Amino acid sequence: KNQVEQSPQSLIILEGKNCTLQCNYTVSPFSNLRWYKQDTGRGPVSLTIMTFSENTKSNGRYTATLDADTKQSSLHITASQLSDSASYICVVSLNYGGSQGNLIFGKGTKLSVKP
Amino acid sequence: NAGVTQTPKFQVLKTGQSMTLQCAQDMNHEYMSWYRQDPGMGLRLIHYSVGAGITDQGEVPNGYNVSRSTTEDFPLRLLSAAPSQTSVYFCASSPVEGNTEAFFGQGTRLTVV
Repeated sequence: KNQVEQSPQSLIILEGKNCTLQCNYTVSPFSNLRWYKQDTGRGPVSLTIMTFSENTKSNGRYTATLDADTKQSSLHITASQLSDSASYICVVSLNYGGSQGNLIFGKGTKLSVKP
Repeated sequence: NAGVTQTPKFQVLKTGQSMTLQCAQDMNHEYMSWYRQDPGMGLRLIHYSVGAGITDQGEVPNGYNVSRSTTEDFPLRLLSAAPSQTSVYFCASSPVEGNTEAFFGQGTRLTVV
């Protein structure tokens, strides 16, 4: 069964600290993996995309990694800010194509950054 | 630059009532879909469309109908609301093919009493 598992379920950190969120997937055939950020009361917004051949990609203070062999991805947040408080959702796409019927969603990690 | 627009943002229904959640996008995306998000469950696909006149069922389609008469609009209909349909509903759209990003609306919080 195609599944995306995220850990931890929730995380509290102090402002300025770093953190790493994990995503393990059992999805085949794999196309790509995206990390989305969902602020409270808003829809998810894409942070970064990882394709099969990519190992690391950065977007400002966010760095995503992908290990296609172990089917694991991580999202590292550096020097956290209060505005990073949100849910982070890992989404894996099946095949190559835009059909949203082929998206497998994780349940998300809820990050709270405290002053 | 509106993107994906959902209306209403909040709605309370009585059991058995019907209603339509509206979704419109101005990015000329062919793919549109509806998800529901429940605590601890993540986003689950209800219905999706790959273009005008074409719709298909997702993971949790029961109790919901959709139609796609234009590229821009993709309404979700609840024919007879049930308390189990209390949830936050998100509409999303994406371009054709490729490693596409799904663009989400801001959501509709629906409560069925």
